[in-house]
Amino acid sequence: DTGVSQDPRHKITKRGQNVTFRCDPISEHNRLYWYRQTLGQGPEFLTYFQNEAQLEKSRLLSDRFSAERPKGSFSTLEIQRTEQGDSAMYLCASSFRGDEKLFFGSGTQLSVL
Amino acid sequence: AQKVTQAQTEISVVEKEDVTLDCVYETRDTTYYLFWYKQPPSGELVFLIRRNSFDEQNEISGRYSWNFQKSTSSFNFTITASQVVDSAVYFCALSEALGGATNKLIFGTGTLLAVQP
Repeated sequence: DTGVSQDPRHKITKRGQNVTFRCDPISEHNRLYWYRQTLGQGPEFLTYFQNEAQLEKSRLLSDRFSAERPKGSFSTLEIQRTEQGDSAMYLCASSFRGDEKLFFGSGTQLSVL
Repeated sequence: AQKVTQAQTEISVVEKEDVTLDCVYETRDTTYYLFWYKQPPSGELVFLIRRNSFDEQNEISGRYSWNFQKSTSSFNFTITASQVVDSAVYFCALSEALGGATNKLIFGTGTLLAVQP
C-alpha cells in the first residue's frame, strides 16, 4: 500500500491528557499537511511541512499543539492537556512540491472525554 | 478572503437519477485551483478532480461531469445515473494562488449524498 497512513485510527482520552498521532506520507512526497475536521464541517488547515521544515501554522493551532517531521518523512502531531473542544478527526495529507493535488489518509478520530 | 460555499447540506436521490452538487467560491486571486473530493464512510478523502482558473472547459469522466463557470464563481459537479456506491460526503475546495508555498486547500462544508436503491 503506497497511500498516506495514519495511526491510530481512533483515540479516546481523558481531558488533560497528552496525545500523539503519527502520519506516514507517500514516500516520494516532500510536502505534508495536517488538517482538522469536526462533524458536519469541511477539513480545516492546521499546519504544513516541506521536507522537515514547518513552513506555516494556522491560527487554529494553539500552543498546546505541536507538530514535527524530524527527517522529512513521517510526521507526528501532539496535543498537550487535551480539551473537549479538541475532539475531531485529524487528517494528514501529502503532495509533491508544485503539485496542488493532495492525497489524504483516513484520519485519526480523537474523542476527549 | 477565500471561501467555498456548498449550500446543499444533504441530498437524497433514488438510484439511476442524475444529481448536481453545487459549489460557489470567493477569491481575490486571479490564479487558483478548484477541487472536488469524495469522503466515504471510511473517512479518507478521495481526489476526484482539479481544475485551474484558466481552464473553463467542462470535463466529463465516466458518470461524473464538472461545470466550471468563472462568471458566476461556480464549479458544479454532476453525477449521471447515480449508484448506491456514490453515497458519500462530497467536498469542494479552493487552493491559494498557483505557485504559492502552501498548496493550502479551503474546503466547503460538504454535501452528504444519499443514493437509495
